[in-house]
Amino acid sequence: SAVISQKPSRDICQRGTSLTIQCQVDSQVTMMFWYRQQPGQSLTLIATANQGSEATYESGFVIDKFPISRPNLTFSTLTVSNMSPEDSSIYLCSVDGGVRGTGELFFGEGSRLTVL
Amino acid sequence: GNSVTQMEGPVTLSEEAFLTINCTYTATGYPSLFWYVQYPGEGLQLLLKATKADDKGSNKGFEATYRKETTSFHLEKGSVQVSDSAVYFCALRETSGSRLTFGEGTQLTVNP
Repeated sequence: SAVISQKPSRDICQRGTSLTIQCQVDSQVTMMFWYRQQPGQSLTLIATANQGSEATYESGFVIDKFPISRPNLTFSTLTVSNMSPEDSSIYLCSVDGGVRGTGELFFGEGSRLTVL
Repeated sequence: GNSVTQMEGPVTLSEEAFLTINCTYTATGYPSLFWYVQYPGEGLQLLLKATKADDKGSNKGFEATYRKETTSFHLEKGSVQVSDSAVYFCALRETSGSRLTFGEGTQLTVNP
């Protein structure tokens, strides 16, 4: 299994500001996924980030709002730009189960953002 | 496209009661199926999985069987504990390189 660390674990942000969330994995992984979980809701995929290429965004999510970096095989960042209260959510980083993984994703603890 | 439907929640049970959380799916291929659990204030943890038809996943007293004929993956536990109180998500993954598609989640509360 992979151990995933996210920072910050929680933050309170002001409207109009931007925040960058970091995701560190203890092993090299090809694919990293960023999910959003709005209050009381299920998880929605924001984008898939592969090292060395542009992130692939899901419908309803755009790079200007959620820029992603993937500088190497163990690290990624997600920025939530120009935040509004509607961006208050838990943001979760996840990775594949490894070379011999049988398809499950492992998740970080999440970054809980509250936008005032 | 792929989708996952879970039974409507929340679910409230007394300790030692039998639990069933229904999950059905729609997929174009032969997905792997998962149950994840989210304890209060925590991230998601894999509870169990099944990768092909008729497989049974099990963990911590929970079980789910991959039923291709009914496109279902219902979660069961014979005797729930207060510590099982959490949100449970059913999910599918079409291929090992693709995303996870989640159901709506079911909030389980177990009272002593």
